[in-house]
Amino acid sequence: EPEVTQTPSHQVTQMGQEVILRCVPISNHLYFYWYRQILGQKVEFLVSFYNNEISEKSEIFDDQFSVERPDGSNFTLKIRSTKLEDSAMYFCASRELARGVADTQYFGPGTRLTVL
Amino acid sequence: AQTVTQSQPEMSVQEAETVTLSCTYDTSESDYYLFWYKQPPSRQMILVIRQEAYKQQNATENRFSVNFQKAAKSFSLKISDSQLGDAAMYFCAYRYNDMRFGAGTRLTVKP
Repeated sequence: EPEVTQTPSHQVTQMGQEVILRCVPISNHLYFYWYRQILGQKVEFLVSFYNNEISEKSEIFDDQFSVERPDGSNFTLKIRSTKLEDSAMYFCASRELARGVADTQYFGPGTRLTVL
Repeated sequence: AQTVTQSQPEMSVQEAETVTLSCTYDTSESDYYLFWYKQPPSRQMILVIRQEAYKQQNATENRFSVNFQKAAKSFSLKISDSQLGDAAMYFCAYRYNDMRFGAGTRLTVKP
């Protein structure tokens, strides 16, 4: 069964450094998402991406964040200058275009980001 | 604002018994989607069951079923014949545009 993959599984970085989190969505999916889950808290929406542009973003997704689909398979989240509070699990998700049953988002296994 | 509330931070069930997890949400929309996701200790998000708001029939997936009350904006998850592997955090989620999650319910299954 096709699945969303994410790399790396765990990223450790120093405060102020840039990080890029990578995701490979399911191949026929056209909508892509990033979510964040701080330890012990709920999953929070960051951004959605469709047709090579951001379709929606939350208040968390400030100028420090950017997303890109550099080729036909990868979908990346970049944090320009990491802060301690960016430490969290970051989930990528994707879904097909059509509404209905295909509206379901499928999540990747997550990347644990630790900012020291 | 669209919010999702899970009023039970923790629940416990005996193996083979049935447990119901509660979820309520707030929305002014009429056509939306509701989901239950399971998050085991690995922290992966696993889809358990989904419900389209325009469908009156409650969704069922094997041992998992929902009680969707649209007027009451309630979407509870029933797990029948609970198994040890059901132990996890369960998140209720609402989607109209972006996805909104509840705070989660930690389910413990006692042998």
